[in-house]
Amino acid sequence: DAGITQSPRHKVTETGTPVTLRCHQTENHRYMYWYRQDPGHGLRLIHYSYGVKDTDKGEVSDGYSVSRSKTEDFLLTLESATSSQTSVYFCASWGRDYGYTFGSGTRLTVV
Amino acid sequence: GIQVEQSPPDLILQEGANSTLRCNFSDSVNNLQWFHQNPWGQLINLFYIPSGTKQNGRLSATTVATERYSLLYISSSQTTDSGVYFCAAGEGAQKLVFGQGTRLTINP
Repeated sequence: DAGITQSPRHKVTETGTPVTLRCHQTENHRYMYWYRQDPGHGLRLIHYSYGVKDTDKGEVSDGYSVSRSKTEDFLLTLESATSSQTSVYFCASWGRDYGYTFGSGTRLTVV
Repeated sequence: GIQVEQSPPDLILQEGANSTLRCNFSDSVNNLQWFHQNPWGQLINLFYIPSGTKQNGRLSATTVATERYSLLYISSSQTTDSGVYFCAAGEGAQKLVFGQGTRLTINP
């Protein structure tokens, strides 16, 4: 399986502040993803990347931006955090042999 | 877009029992995966199985792509099997669509 690490694991932030979550993978995978998980909604795709500097929107992209300047790193930024963005965020990468592999998640609370 | 439905939504069993979880998907896919979300929230990749049958210990999975369904079998359940099982489907490396999950509780 791919080695994927997310940081931070937990974060509490105030409404209106910018927040950046980091995802780092060591498998040289081209494709990476950010999902959020909420009760009653399951896992929903926020943004994904199909290469360095190549990104696209998922189904719940409003209020989020991403950047991928290196193959191994995929950053998710909340420009101005809102309470509706309180969630658990998962990063994933895709490999031809194993499909998707997820990181351990980041629990974000916006107060 | 692809829709993924899982059944049953909840399943409560005694340790040692066997179970079958089902996943139906609405369109042709070439990526089908099963994940286990443990009580600590980690998403563990169980099977990458766009077609055919695979086995890993007490777990096995079968996908019949032409009939648009996949089954996950758990034999001789243990309490550590508890958690939520997700099926997800998509086209290759493209956006994976998740079902709502089956919550499995294994009682000692």
